[in-house]
Amino acid sequence: DAMVIQNPRYQVTQFGKPVTLSCSQTLNHNVMYWYQQKSSQAPKLLFHYYDKDFNNEADTPDNFQSRRPNTSFCFLDIRSPGLGDAAMYLCATSRDGRILVNEQFFGPGTRLTVL
Amino acid sequence: AQSVAQPEDQVNVAEGNPLTVKCTYSVSGNPYLFWYVQYPNRGLQFLLKYITGDNLVKGSYGFEAEFNKSQTSFHLKKPSALVSDSALYFCALTTGTYKYIFGTGTRLKVLA
Repeated sequence: DAMVIQNPRYQVTQFGKPVTLSCSQTLNHNVMYWYQQKSSQAPKLLFHYYDKDFNNEADTPDNFQSRRPNTSFCFLDIRSPGLGDAAMYLCATSRDGRILVNEQFFGPGTRLTVL
Repeated sequence: AQSVAQPEDQVNVAEGNPLTVKCTYSVSGNPYLFWYVQYPNRGLQFLLKYITGDNLVKGSYGFEAEFNKSQTSFHLKKPSALVSDSALYFCALTTGTYKYIFGTGTRLKVLA
């Protein structure tokens, strides 16, 4: 089945220790997104890629970076995690929406704990 | 600025009864509206969307939603609730720019 996969599902890191979360997709969608979702809150868009074009939300902290080496993979790097970065991180994809607005397909998420 | 409001943190309904989960929005321009469902420790799953056309949209698992432009609402409905419908429901909005705004979510609890 075509899907969005996130690894690991659970990640524990120490305060200030860099961490990388990964996302892969078999849907061949050209748009990929990273969201941060804190407990009982709405998912908050961090950035998205349209193919290799990177689009950062204005309020995304510099501490968060992303890489998309190819269509299938996208990574979220947190350079110096703080306690406030503990959250569920959701990866999503969608088809090109220039002609028709399309729904997003989400991965299961990675729950990040910062000690 | 765009925004989405889900005024109820939780909705309780008896199994077999109709359910409604409310969503209102604010946007300049044409809204594209979505409903997603999230089960514990899972990602969001798409239920339905309104892009244009018929104001009543039918989606997965028997859900439907009615777009009301004058009331700026997009309420999610189901004629007969199941216990398995218990989950967290999110309304989302975009104007077609790849920026999606999500509501804070409504927890639906269907009681047996």
